[in-house]
Amino acid sequence: DAGITQSPRYKITETGRQVTLMCHQTWSHSYMFWYRQDLGHGLRLIYYSAAADITDKGEVPDGYVVSRSKTENFPLTLESATRSQTSVYFCASSEPGGASSNEQFFGPGTRLTVL
Amino acid sequence: LAKTTQPVSMDSYEGQEVNITCSHNNIATNDYITWYQQFPSQGPRFIIQGYKTKVTNEVASLFIPADRKSSTLSLPRVSLSDTAVYYCLVGYTDKLIFGTGTRLQVFP
Repeated sequence: DAGITQSPRYKITETGRQVTLMCHQTWSHSYMFWYRQDLGHGLRLIYYSAAADITDKGEVPDGYVVSRSKTENFPLTLESATRSQTSVYFCASSEPGGASSNEQFFGPGTRLTVL
Repeated sequence: LAKTTQPVSMDSYEGQEVNITCSHNNIATNDYITWYQQFPSQGPRFIIQGYKTKVTNEVASLFIPADRKSSTLSLPRVSLSDTAVYYCLVGYTDKLIFGTGTRLQVFP
């Protein structure tokens, strides 16, 4: 089915462990984004990518690493998870034309708990 | 420092028009204003996008004054299913800033 998917949907890990959240889209959208949403708060941009092999920092990039070797995939890695990274993570994609000038399509989210 | 501000919450009754404002200082010349709707345990969903003046689609209208330092999302004749959190999204040069979100509660 076409769309944007995230895996896993739920993840519990321990402080200091490396965790990778996956995001896959089937529309061949150029832009992809990672956001985090803390309980009761809005979304904050972590990283975004304008195309394969092009990534850029958002508002809160510290502690995260991204890569984009293929257009359809945009994994987010927490190199050494901390409790402050407990959050819901949303991936999104959009067509080209500028990061703010096109509709973003959001995945269902990954709920990450760091113990 | 770039900041996007919205009222925390709003209450309405079915059939009424609801207007939600968003204040965005230092918006970049080429950046658009986009509004999203979010239900619990779901990702945000696009509602409407605009650059200036007024934009209307089948579900909402967006009003943007000439100075573009604010915008207003207008939902005509809301229903119970419009109960959700509404976010404005504004681009600031190389950053995208979501508003703080407005929790809309619609009562019968």
